[in-house]
Amino acid sequence: QVQLVQSGAEMKKPGASVKISCKASGYILTTYPVHWVRQAPGQRLEWLGWINAGSDNTKYSEIVRGRFSITRDTSASTVYMELSSLRNEDTAVYYCARDVRYWGQGTLVTVSS
Amino acid sequence: DIQMTQSPSSLPASIGDRVTITCRASQDISNSLAWYQQKPGKAPKLLLYVASRLESGVPTRFGGSGSGTDYTLTIGSLQPEDFATYYCLQYYTTPWTFGQGTKVEIK
Repeated sequence: QVQLVQSGAEMKKPGASVKISCKASGYILTTYPVHWVRQAPGQRLEWLGWINAGSDNTKYSEIVRGRFSITRDTSASTVYMELSSLRNEDTAVYYCARDVRYWGQGTLVTVSS
Repeated sequence: DIQMTQSPSSLPASIGDRVTITCRASQDISNSLAWYQQKPGKAPKLLLYVASRLESGVPTRFGGSGSGTDYTLTIGSLQPEDFATYYCLQYYTTPWTFGQGTKVEIK
């Protein structure tokens, strides 16, 4: 069955970077895109970007553009997101999703001095 | 970007009530609309997609309807486990955009 398993919680200081992994199983990574979504405490969900895991093309939201990147390792069937220059307001649960049906379990990123 | 306006933001209700939540898109999204349920500390759980297709394992008291720009989630008879926050999501185009959420709470 399709599964997306994310790496564990992270605690970072402002200005640092965080990299989260999303390992896909149950399907061939290159046949579907992978999206990244986040949810800050008490806030609505917001889409951050996606990667065409076949072509390696990416598209990013304006809200994180310039600080955000998505990469993939097809041999490991894994997609990564990296967010740099972290701010307190980047504290959120980050989710990867293949599509609306298949999401990872979420990764809590806490940014605090 | 497509804006999603969800209403109401809060919905006091009682067990057994019929509950309706709406989402309006800023442009036609051609039924590319999903509904999620979220409980505190948990990941969103998919209820319906393509506006009205029930995800496997979701109780049939959940129903979706709509077309074009206007969509509705209906809970036929509210159960205790249904008290949660509900979100709509349009995936017609990127960026995906979500409604602001509807908290269904005990009246």
